[in-house]
Amino acid sequence: QSALTQPPSASGSPGQLVTISCTGTSSDVGGYNYVSWYQQHPGKAPKLMIYEVNKRPSGVPDRFSGSKSGNTASLTVSGLQAEDEADYYCSSYAGSNNGVFGGGTKLTVL
Amino acid sequence: QVQLQESGPGLVKPSETLSLTCTVSGGSIIGDYWSWIRQPPGKGLEWIGYIYSSGNTNYNSSLKSRVTMSVDTSKNQFSLKLSSVTAADTAVYYCARGGSSTWFYWGQGILVTVSS
Repeated sequence: QSALTQPPSASGSPGQLVTISCTGTSSDVGGYNYVSWYQQHPGKAPKLMIYEVNKRPSGVPDRFSGSKSGNTASLTVSGLQAEDEADYYCSSYAGSNNGVFGGGTKLTVL
Repeated sequence: QVQLQESGPGLVKPSETLSLTCTVSGGSIIGDYWSWIRQPPGKGLEWIGYIYSSGNTNYNSSLKSRVTMSVDTSKNQFSLKLSSVTAADTAVYYCARGGSSTWFYWGQGILVTVSS
């Protein structure tokens, strides 16, 4: 399975809204509602932020939201805060009990 | 709250076998899926595969020929073996709860360097 495609970088000023895309195919993102998003700060383990396209685990601020259209999923961060600066990875179920990640997006808060 | 902790050698010689164990605390390993995920320095995440508590496994096709996972429910642990390692296998290895789509809990990660 090929990695999902994410932009290498994204940025926004505090308080702004930023959207990160994750593009796959009909065999992964487009075929299943099992897209997840992970936040990773330097030197730390990834943290689940969104699962099953648009569900938030307990404790994740509602500033984080997810959506999907066709073969592209998106993570939106509204009301950007300094602590949101991190790497973000998407993942998707890819059929046949396989999983696949995106290449990651570095989010910078200006 | 489920916690996971990776353990094993931080240095492995080329062509040898990398062996890691993940110890689960705060919950039972039974009835759930458990994965290994790795991240080469400065690069993205790669799903290695998962094992169910019954012992059923599924591996990433790109690593399948070199990967073996096992589980020890009596110790609440699961393990990873990766054979014939090269420098390309140098990475932080994470264990996580989940199968092939959503990983709710992660270990802190362990850096494994392949070098002579």
